[in-house]
Amino acid sequence: AQSVSQHNHHVILSEAASLELGCNYSYGGTVNLFWYVQYPGQHLQLLLKYFSGDPLVKGIKGFEAEFIKSKFSFNLRKPSVQWSDTAEYFCAVKANSGYALNFGKGTSLLVTP
Amino acid sequence: GAGVSQSPSNKVTEKGKDVELRCDPISGHTALYWYRQSLGQGLEFLIYFQGNSAPDKSGLPSDRFSAERTGGSVSTLTIQRTQQEDSAVYLCASSPPRAGSTDTQYFGPGTRLTVL
Repeated sequence: AQSVSQHNHHVILSEAASLELGCNYSYGGTVNLFWYVQYPGQHLQLLLKYFSGDPLVKGIKGFEAEFIKSKFSFNLRKPSVQWSDTAEYFCAVKANSGYALNFGKGTSLLVTP
Repeated sequence: GAGVSQSPSNKVTEKGKDVELRCDPISGHTALYWYRQSLGQGLEFLIYFQGNSAPDKSGLPSDRFSAERTGGSVSTLTIQRTQQEDSAVYLCASSPPRAGSTDTQYFGPGTRLTVL
């Protein structure tokens, strides 16, 4: 069975700090990878996704993630966070042949001014 | 364009009552999913509909949960004899017809269910 692990449950950063949120998964086959974000009071929105090709993917709002197949990882990064990045971030994995998203438990990010 | 919509946004019910939660997917999306977001459990897959095919109900936690999708569009998730552990946010998502596995799921705002 697939599992998704997000290492940091709560992260607090000052504005302009760099961000890296870890995500590891366990699955032996080909996967599709996603990062979703949930801003306070809003619904889940797609930040970025990886299906194939360049393992470094860029998403909205300056976020990027790198797929490292050998490490089963898909870490999310942003060079300089803003207060408006305060949100909950979810990593999700889907088997390429499947359809159900398997989510990590989420990381709550608080960016302080 | 319009996104996935869900109703009601909040539902408070008493233990033992039945509830129905509604989802309107994005127009033209053939796939529809239900997930549950609860404290401590994160987001869990419940059920998947694809067009007119039989749904995948493998994620439903008990036989008190059922879902249907009428006319390949609107879906209703029904929970019978609700229990306190059913309290959660129920999320619906839809995705366009599959094309080379590039299907992305678009989520609605969810229904927050509280069972007293």
